[in-house]
Formats: sequence, C-alpha cells, structure tokens
Amino acid sequence: KQEVTQIPAALSVPEGENLVLNCSFTDSAIYNLQWFRQDPGKGLTSLLLIQSSQREQTSGRLNASLDKSSGRSTLYIAASQPGDSATYLCAVSSNYQLIWGAGTKLIIKP
Amino acid sequence: GAVVSQHPSRVICKSGTSVKIECRSLDFQATTMFWYRQFPKQSLMLMATSNEGSKATYEQGVEKDKFLINHASLTLSTLTVTSAHPEDSSFYICSARGTSGGATDTQYFGPGTRLTVL
Repeated sequence: KQEVTQIPAALSVPEGENLVLNCSFTDSAIYNLQWFRQDPGKGLTSLLLIQSSQREQTSGRLNASLDKSSGRSTLYIAASQPGDSATYLCAVSSNYQLIWGAGTKLIIKP
Repeated sequence: GAVVSQHPSRVICKSGTSVKIECRSLDFQATTMFWYRQFPKQSLMLMATSNEGSKATYEQGVEKDKFLINHASLTLSTLTVTSAHPEDSSFYICSARGTSGGATDTQYFGPGTRLTVL
C-alpha cells in the first residue's frame, strides 16, 4: 500500500532564505509525482509535475527532484518571499489513484 | 485525520452516456467541495467550486450543462458528466473543506476517479 509522508509538517523561515521541502513514498512504482500549493480559502494550485521517467522539473524559483529508487522527492524554493507562505502538498500517482501527503505549512517571515 | 472518498475509482463508459462521480467527506462536514480534472501528463485544473445548498461556481471554459455538480448535503457532492465523449476521458479529483472539528478551512483530497470514454 502506497504511503506518502511529508517532513516537516510546518516550517517558518526568514524572507530570502533558500529552503527544501521533503516528500517520501513507500512504493517506487509510481506514474508521476506532483507538488501543489494550497492557500487558505482557495483551491489547489499545481506547481510542478514530474513524470516517473524524469529526475527534476523547474519553474521559476521552484525546483522539484524525484528519486524513485529511494522513494523521495524534494521541492526547493530559492530566495523565499512572504508570498510563498502556504501549505505545500505532494501527491503520488500510483495504481490509478492519487495518494496525498499531509502537507508542509510554510511561513515566510518578512 | 479527515478522509475524503470518491466512487467509483475507475469507470469506462460508451460515448453518449452519462457518468456520475461521488465525493464524500467521511468524518467531517464540508460546506465547500472542489472538483478538479487532470489530463495525462498535464497539471491539475480546477473545474468548479460547490457550496452546500447552492449552485456551483464554474471556472472559465468549463461547461456547466455538461458537468453537473450537486452538493445536496454536507458530506456528499456529485459530478455528473453528461453525454460523455472521448475527450472527456480524464482523471477527476474532488476535495472537501471542513467546517469544524479541526478541519476548518483545510482541504482534504480524494483519491480521484479515472474516466475512460470509448
């Protein structure tokens, strides 16, 4: 049974710092892995999608990596800004379903 | 933690038929539910937001007469794809936002429903 874990559950850092969010999964047989952003009171925003054959994806200040063999993905945020404050979720597509992590609540302090 | 279920997890239907997908919040009440769609190798896209007891709000480009959403209770929302065609084949995901019991203003996501229209 696929399980997705995100560490840490919460993170607070000063503005301008580079940071890494972690996502681990137990079954390496995945179709893809996605990172999402969730703002309070709003719908979900898709950030990056990594296919199982890919190692990383980049979008602006965001870089996501995927290591299937170790069951890990990281989301790297460069030069963090207060507007990056949100909950970040990773989800693994496995066996025709999305398995969700619990999320990391990120607070960027001005 | 809060759990959201979807039924069915997979469905294959013939072109022209209608398909209903259920989204349930199992241990909390959800005043708001969101429906998303994801095409292969593409990102998730919000289709509509539904509030219990009122009409759903659809995103631009989503046909409300084709994707009927009903949110009749605090624990159930349904998405009906009417007169489905092969281009409607996609992965449909719902999420529910709680109102109490620690689930306030947090969205919980279902496992998704894969629709294939032949």
